[in-house]
Amino acid sequence: DAGVIQSPRHEVTEMGQEVTLRCKPISGHDYLFWYRQTMMRGLELLIYFNNNVPIDDSGMPEDRFSAKMPNASFSTLKIQPSEPRDSAVYFCASSQIYGAVRTEAFFGQGTRLTVV
Amino acid sequence: KQEVTQIPAALSVPEGENLVLNCSFTDSAIYNLQWFRQDPGKGLTSLLLIQSSQREQTSGRLNASLDKSSGRSTLYIAASQPGDSATYLCAAPPYNQGGKLIFGQGTELSVKP
Repeated sequence: DAGVIQSPRHEVTEMGQEVTLRCKPISGHDYLFWYRQTMMRGLELLIYFNNNVPIDDSGMPEDRFSAKMPNASFSTLKIQPSEPRDSAVYFCASSQIYGAVRTEAFFGQGTRLTVV
Repeated sequence: KQEVTQIPAALSVPEGENLVLNCSFTDSAIYNLQWFRQDPGKGLTSLLLIQSSQREQTSGRLNASLDKSSGRSTLYIAASQPGDSATYLCAAPPYNQGGKLIFGQGTELSVKP
């Protein structure tokens, strides 16, 4: 497997524009996570899905943020409208659970977002 | 609510030294604990995963231990090398919350030649 794949790797956009980040989890993994990393706040969990269903979106900062997982192999994180304070690195990760045992979580390379 | 703390925030050691990184968590009801490495500008690489029923895991020069009763985990790095320089993060998923990872702030390690 190629691992968790995120696109784009870098995104520079103007304030007010819509931004869409994409993620392809590892095949067979039933959990998908979106994280944001900044120097000030470290790694923050934004939302996670189990079997394509959003389970906990309490980390989504505002209504400007939305995430979808239309199928087991694809998820998007959308910011509309974007603001300079959204500038960060956004990571996607996936894992799975066998009974009571959860496997390692694997991370994508991240999308570095800059809003100017 | 699970909280994860890593001490120290930064560590600088000479090459060849053995070192220990610390991770503490407040909720002992965890699935497992995972250690990651992050190089500057890069993603997170999984190093070791310790299941809640285990006490330690080893991979090469790395050894991670888990003590759920005290809410602590340590990552031991033997014979450190300059290539070990990176930020090391631990993450503990609360057992009843679908395995979501709660991260510490990380320890930035610098190994001097």
